[in-house]
Amino acid sequence: GDSVTQMEGPVTLSEEAFLTINCTYTATGYPSLFWYVQYPGEGLQLLLKATKADDKGSNKGFEATYRKETTSFHLEKGSVQVSDSAVYFCALSGYNTDKLIFGTGTRLQVFP
Amino acid sequence: ETGVTQTPRHLVMGMTNKKSLKCEQHLGHNAMYWYKQSAKKPLELMFVYSLEERVENNSVPSRFSPECPNSSHLFLHLHTLQPEDSALYLCASSQNPAPQETQYFGPGTRLLVL
Repeated sequence: GDSVTQMEGPVTLSEEAFLTINCTYTATGYPSLFWYVQYPGEGLQLLLKATKADDKGSNKGFEATYRKETTSFHLEKGSVQVSDSAVYFCALSGYNTDKLIFGTGTRLQVFP
Repeated sequence: ETGVTQTPRHLVMGMTNKKSLKCEQHLGHNAMYWYKQSAKKPLELMFVYSLEERVENNSVPSRFSPECPNSSHLFLHLHTLQPEDSALYLCASSQNPAPQETQYFGPGTRLLVL
């Protein structure tokens, strides 16, 4: 069945460092891909999404490009801030699924 | 009040207790969801409601019983739970139940079963 694989965390960075959180997926057809973020003590919120191959989702300085050839949707940010410390979830929804399928989440810790 | 709210935020219960989790959305959405979030596991979709009708039930044990009296409120009734049911329970809503729709999450209820 459809699935999402994320890199295990925690990812620990200094402020202003470059961030990459890897996400790969397995799906038939052409899924939509999402990144959700969960700040401490809060629920998940949509960070960005892409609905077709080569689309780039972006928000708050974060970007992710839908790469069908590598079945990936890696999250990147050029310069992280302490306030970016959170858990990041990659997710997909596909034509063969009637639900949103999440990865296990990757915790990001940014230190000043 | 805006968004999706959940009460209580924290709950400790024994295995013989009965308790209920409450979710309320102020977004005018038609679909509501219950998820279970356990450490180092993907979010597990438990139930989906669309216009107060249950449209998804992912083989959840009967000790979890959802109720959706109207499109703004969703409950999860709990009874005779097991310690492995300890987790963060998240409620979400979306305009429609299609998985491509953006889901808006509440802050969750942290449940500990002793």
